[in-house]
Amino acid sequence: SQKIEQNSEALNIQEGKTATLTCNYTNYSPAYLQWYRQDPGRGPVFLLLIRENEKEKRKERLKVTFDTTLKQSLFHITASQPADSATYLCAPLGAGGSYIPTFGRGTSLIVHP
Amino acid sequence: DSGVTQTPKHLITATGQRVTLRCSPRSGDLSVYWYQQSLDQGLQFLIHYYNGEERAKGNILERFSAQQFPDLHSELNLSSLELGDSALYFCASSASRDRDTEAFFGQGTRLTVV
Repeated sequence: SQKIEQNSEALNIQEGKTATLTCNYTNYSPAYLQWYRQDPGRGPVFLLLIRENEKEKRKERLKVTFDTTLKQSLFHITASQPADSATYLCAPLGAGGSYIPTFGRGTSLIVHP
Repeated sequence: DSGVTQTPKHLITATGQRVTLRCSPRSGDLSVYWYQQSLDQGLQFLIHYYNGEERAKGNILERFSAQQFPDLHSELNLSSLELGDSALYFCASSASRDRDTEAFFGQGTRLTVV
């Protein structure tokens, strides 16, 4: 069955460092991959989308890579700030014609001042 | 503000009862998705409606049902509630159903079953 894996352990980093979060998927081939941010008790907010023919996508301090061979996406936040502390969710989609966002369980990022 | 409105924000009810959660999508969005998020399960897809028609079902229990009305708002009905149904329920909308458009989420309804 299709599986999305994100690090279940929280990622703790110091302010100013680069945070790198991983999303691995198995048993399917998504054409796109979305990343969302979720704050406690609030709905997810869309951050970035990357397509299978794009190796890398950037938006301000955010960078996403998509390796369809490794079946993996990496999400980077450079010059991290305490305000970046949140849970980050990946959502591969487009496999088999399905565009329903299906989420990993997310990785909690904690940026310490 | 995502433009997606969910009501009520909080709901406390007893086991065995029935509740209705309401979602108003962003103006012009035809797709509505419902998700359940509990502490131990993450964000689980329940059901997808597009322009009034059911398009896909996920892990939705038979005790749960949904519909999308002609004005595109959607309701999720939960019946014979159990303690394990306590969770955050999110509605999301997007402009289409077959493209890589982003989903916009509401602020959720926190359901507590006692």
